[in-house]
Amino acid sequence: GAGVSQSPRYKVTKRGQDVALRCDPISGHVSLYWYRQALGQGPEFLTYFNYEAQQDKSGLPNDRFSAERPEGSISTLTIQRTEQRDSAMYRCASSSFGPRSTDTQYFGPGTRLTVL
Amino acid sequence: AQSVTQLDSQVPVFEEAPVELRCNYSSSVSVYLFWYVQYPNQGLQLLLKYLSGSTLVKGINGFEAEFNKSQTSFHLRKPSVHISDTAEYFCAVSEVGDYKLSFGAGTTVTVRA
Repeated sequence: GAGVSQSPRYKVTKRGQDVALRCDPISGHVSLYWYRQALGQGPEFLTYFNYEAQQDKSGLPNDRFSAERPEGSISTLTIQRTEQRDSAMYRCASSSFGPRSTDTQYFGPGTRLTVL
Repeated sequence: AQSVTQLDSQVPVFEEAPVELRCNYSSSVSVYLFWYVQYPNQGLQLLLKYLSGSTLVKGINGFEAEFNKSQTSFHLRKPSVHISDTAEYFCAVSEVGDYKLSFGAGTTVTVRA
C-alpha cells in the first residue's frame, strides 16, 4: 500500500482480555516502530524492529506487552490481561533503512484502544 | 534523556493570519528536531526536520521553523494560514545517533474564517 496501515482502527475490550494490534508498514521499509499516545500527551516510544529482529524493547511498560515481526514485514503488538490504564492510541511507524536517526518515520493512523 | 515542551496546548487563529507554535527542548547531547502534523483521522505526517546546517528549515505547506541552539528552541511558523491548516502539531526530538523520537504534548491549531 501507499502508506502505513493499522488495524483495527478502534478496539474496545473488557479488562483482563488479550488484544492484538496489527501494523502493516510501507513495503520495503526495514525499520518498524511502535509508540503509545495517552490522551493529551505526545506519542511515547515502545519498541523497535530492524527487519524481523526486535532490537529495542526498552519502552514496553511491563511483561504484559509483547511485539513480533516474524517475516520482517507485518508486526503485531499484543497486550495480555488488559487493564484500564492501557487505554490509549497505539501508533506504528516505519522507515526505509536501519536504525538511523536521520530517517523520516512514516506513521499509520493508529489504533484507539479502550479498556472497560 | 531528552524532553520536549510545547508551550501552547491550543492556538486559535483567523484565516490568512500568521501563526507561531512554540517548542523548547532539553538534552545533554546534540539532537535532531522535527515537526509533525496530524489531520483528523490520519497518521502523523512530517512537516519538516532539522538535522544540521542552516538553522532556518522550510517544510511542506508553507511552514518553516528556526533552530535556536542557545535558547534550545525550534518554533514553527506560517505567515498566512488556511482553514485546511486546522490540525494538531507535534514537536519531536531525537538524540543524534538514536532513532527514538520524544514528542511534546501537541498544539491544536484551529483556523477560523
